[in-house]
Amino acid sequence: EVQLVESGGGLVKPGGSLRLSCAASGFTFSNAWMSWVRQAPGKGLEWVGRIKSKTDGGTTDYAAPVKGRFTISRDDSKNTLYLQMNSLKTEDTAVYYCTTFQINSSGWYEDYWGQGTLVTVSS
Amino acid sequence: QSVLTQPPSVSGAPGQRVTISCTGSSSNIGAGYDVHWYQQLPGTAPKLLIYGNSNRPSGVPDRFSGSKSGTSASLAITGLQAEDEADYYCQSYDSSLSALFGTGTKVTVL
Repeated sequence: EVQLVESGGGLVKPGGSLRLSCAASGFTFSNAWMSWVRQAPGKGLEWVGRIKSKTDGGTTDYAAPVKGRFTISRDDSKNTLYLQMNSLKTEDTAVYYCTTFQINSSGWYEDYWGQGTLVTVSS
Repeated sequence: QSVLTQPPSVSGAPGQRVTISCTGSSSNIGAGYDVHWYQQLPGTAPKLLIYGNSNRPSGVPDRFSGSKSGTSASLAITGLQAEDEADYYCQSYDSSLSALFGTGTKVTVL
C-alpha cells in the first residue's frame, strides 16, 4: 500500500524558512517522480512543483509563485521527499500535500496523495 | 488564478445525474493535454478519480465518468449518492508543463 506522510509544518514569520518532509513507502521511491501541491484555507488546489527520478535526470520544475524561493529535493536512501521553503510570504499559508506523479500514455497526473501538513505564515 | 474554470457548485437529489464542466483554452486542454479529475471529501486529502480524460483507477465506481472535447472536459456522476458530496477539481497542463488545477466544484446531494 502506498503511503505518503508529510511532516514539518507549523507557524513561521514572514521572511522565514521551513523545510517539509514526506516519508514514502509501499512503492519504489527511487523510480518515482514526485510533486508538491498546496491548498490555502478554504481555497482550491495549486501545484507547487515536481522532481524527476534521478534516473530521469532528477531535475525540478516549479510554479511561478514559488520559483526562486522553494526547492524540492529527495533522498532516495531514506525514501524521503523534501520541500525547502525560504522567504516565506503570508500567501504561502496552506496545507502542503506530497504526491506521487505518474507519467504514461494517459497523461501526467498526481495519483497518490499524503494527508498534508499545514504551514501558517504570520507575524 | 486558475485558467481552468469550473462551476462553483452543482447539486442533485440522490439517484440523479450531475455533470461538472471544466473549461480551458487552446493553450492547455485544447492543445491536447489530458484532463484528470480529483475528489476531495470534507476534511481529507484529494483522491484521483479520473485520469487520462476518461479512465477510472481501481476502486472508483463506474458511476463516475469523464470526457473531453475541444477546450473543455466534463465529469459526470450518475446515480448520485450521499457519499459523493465533496469538492471536485479538474487538472490539465500548459506548454510549460506546469500543472493547472480547475477552480473547483462543490457537489451537494439534496
